[in-house]
Amino acid sequence: AQSVSQHNHHVILSEAASLELGCNYSYGGTVNLFWYVQYPGQHLQLLLKYFSGDPLVKGIKGFEAEFIKSKFSFNLRKPSVQWSDTAEYFCAVNADNQGGKLIFGQGTELSVKP
Amino acid sequence: EAGVAQSPRYKIIEKRQSVAFWCNPISGHATLYWYQQILGQGPKLLIQFQNNGVVDDSQLPKDRFSAERLKGVDSTLKIQPAKLEDSAVYLCASSLDQGLAYNEQFFGPGTRLTVL
Repeated sequence: AQSVSQHNHHVILSEAASLELGCNYSYGGTVNLFWYVQYPGQHLQLLLKYFSGDPLVKGIKGFEAEFIKSKFSFNLRKPSVQWSDTAEYFCAVNADNQGGKLIFGQGTELSVKP
Repeated sequence: EAGVAQSPRYKIIEKRQSVAFWCNPISGHATLYWYQQILGQGPKLLIQFQNNGVVDDSQLPKDRFSAERLKGVDSTLKIQPAKLEDSAVYLCASSLDQGLAYNEQFFGPGTRLTVL
């Protein structure tokens, strides 16, 4: 069965620090990869996605993620975080033969100190 | 553009009672999803509809959970009878068509269920 693992449950950073959130998945076939974000009191929303092509994808608000197929990873990065990036971040995987079904990781809570 | 609407936002019930949640997807979205998010975990798909047909309900506990999407628009998710372990946030999401992954899923605010 497919699964998604996010390495960190809670990350605390100061403003301007660099961010990297780990995500690994288990599935041997073709996958589509996503990062979703949930800001306090708001809905889950899409941050970025990878389907094919350039393994380095850019999303909203300066976030980017790199797909490394050999490592089954899709880590999220941001060079300099802001207080407004405080949120919960979810990595999700879709197997190419399973329609729109998303398998989510358990989430990483990011707290940015001003 | 109006987003995905869900109601109620919060519900507290006792175990063995029944409860129903309602979802109105974004207008024109053919695919509708119900996810269960237990505290400290990521959302888990319960059921996926394509228009008014079920595409995937493999993780729906069918002895107590049921869902329908009449007329291919609104959907209701019901739990009867509820158990303590059903305490969770129930998220509804919709996407444009075909349930294809590259169609972004838009999520509603969720219904937080507490079973006492």
